[in-house]
Amino acid sequence: QSVLTQPPSVSGAPGQRVTISCTGSSFDIGAGYDVHWYQQLPGTAPKLLISGNSNRPSGVPDRFSGSKSGTSASLAISGLQAEDEADYYCQSYHNSLSAYVFGTGTKVTVL
Amino acid sequence: QLQLQESGPGLVKPSETLSLTCTVSGGSITSGTYYWGWIRQPPGKGLEWIGGVYYSGSTYYNPSLTSRVTISVDTSKNQFSLKLNSVTAADTAVYYCARHKIVVGAPSFDPWGQGTLVTVSS
Repeated sequence: QSVLTQPPSVSGAPGQRVTISCTGSSFDIGAGYDVHWYQQLPGTAPKLLISGNSNRPSGVPDRFSGSKSGTSASLAISGLQAEDEADYYCQSYHNSLSAYVFGTGTKVTVL
Repeated sequence: QLQLQESGPGLVKPSETLSLTCTVSGGSITSGTYYWGWIRQPPGKGLEWIGGVYYSGSTYYNPSLTSRVTISVDTSKNQFSLKLNSVTAADTAVYYCARHKIVVGAPSFDPWGQGTLVTVSS
């Protein structure tokens, strides 16, 4: 039930900046609902990375930043590091489905 | 530091009921500002929200699963539980429990339990 679309993969060299898009609709992101981002390292549970579109929880490096505009949101990782290799998911609410929804997920590879 | 831990059988037969429990430590499940929820992830796939419960017992479910899901809370044990009936192979997944604030719209889930793999197979 992934109604938020993300690119399957993105990659970058150490130190580079990568961005991950999260495309929704007028029923979710476009309706004004907050977008949150999670990082899932291999074999572990998802961890909250960005809340409320652009807020970093305590302990999250400022290399990670989030933004939202219209029916889409983005996660940017600057100064890419090897430890950033993980799957990343966006999440919001869909008012027609009456459900919390997640993105399709993006695998970040550090070259 | 709040921690959540899932527990339950790792193997369930088709058509039977999947039952899992999430134990909360480092904080009280009766905090009035949070819901307690379940999310699952099939192997190699994305995340799907299942539903949640308030400490009073009030529940809310994903409409796509509501006919098969029951979530309950036991405040005396600081636990909440998931039951999913009539399971099929499509219900094979890692099941996570997580907390979220009571907000209008889209809350974030934090923290999460480590997850438990449930396989549906005869």
